[in-house]
Amino acid sequence: DAKTTQPTSMDCAEGRAANLPCNHSTISGNEYVYWYRQIHSQGPQYIIHGLKNNETNEMASLIITEDRKSSTLILPHATLRDTAVYYCIVRVRGGTDKLIFGTGTRLQVFP
Amino acid sequence: AAGVIQSPRHLIKEKRETATLKCYPIPRHDTVYWYQQGPGQDPQFLISFYEKMQSDKGSIPDRFSAQQFSDYHSELNMSSLELGDSALYFCASSFYSGSSYEQYFGPGTRLTVT
Repeated sequence: DAKTTQPTSMDCAEGRAANLPCNHSTISGNEYVYWYRQIHSQGPQYIIHGLKNNETNEMASLIITEDRKSSTLILPHATLRDTAVYYCIVRVRGGTDKLIFGTGTRLQVFP
Repeated sequence: AAGVIQSPRHLIKEKRETATLKCYPIPRHDTVYWYQQGPGQDPQFLISFYEKMQSDKGSIPDRFSAQQFSDYHSELNMSSLELGDSALYFCASSFYSGSSYEQYFGPGTRLTVT
């Protein structure tokens, strides 16, 4: 699986958009970008994934650059409950592939 | 919606004892994964099963073993426990045969070895 690079930590004001970047310059053509988050000591939670098109669901939006070497997870209106560690993971979709968690970005949402 | 169930949620054992952690995947999910998360660390993959067969293996100690049963639940058996085994153990499940491959995690079992 391709290696990803994320900032160690970020802050965001409540109600504002949180934009979390991820670099994955060695991503392969058949690898997807997945985002998970872990709220303190809870099980990681799936957020969204994408291949090359931008994706949106009820939790977040995922913007992937045209060359697919980087992506941004957007939480449009961050709340205090979004405070968590966010993991960007690149992997082939399908099969029984494990998730390889890197360091992730610790997002702190403040009032 | 039904989620992944793990039991027990908390477990305290002494060194050299054994422990068994159980995982009940989401109904119809056929793949189970185990992850270990030490204090202040990121989750690390241990082992996975698809249709009751081991599908992948990570940095799982030889003292640990796991299996998936006919009802798809899985058990992680840990023997000769060491202080360093104290961690959160997460189970995740996915539906390999379907259209959605995302892994869904349980709440974890917190193992404390004294």
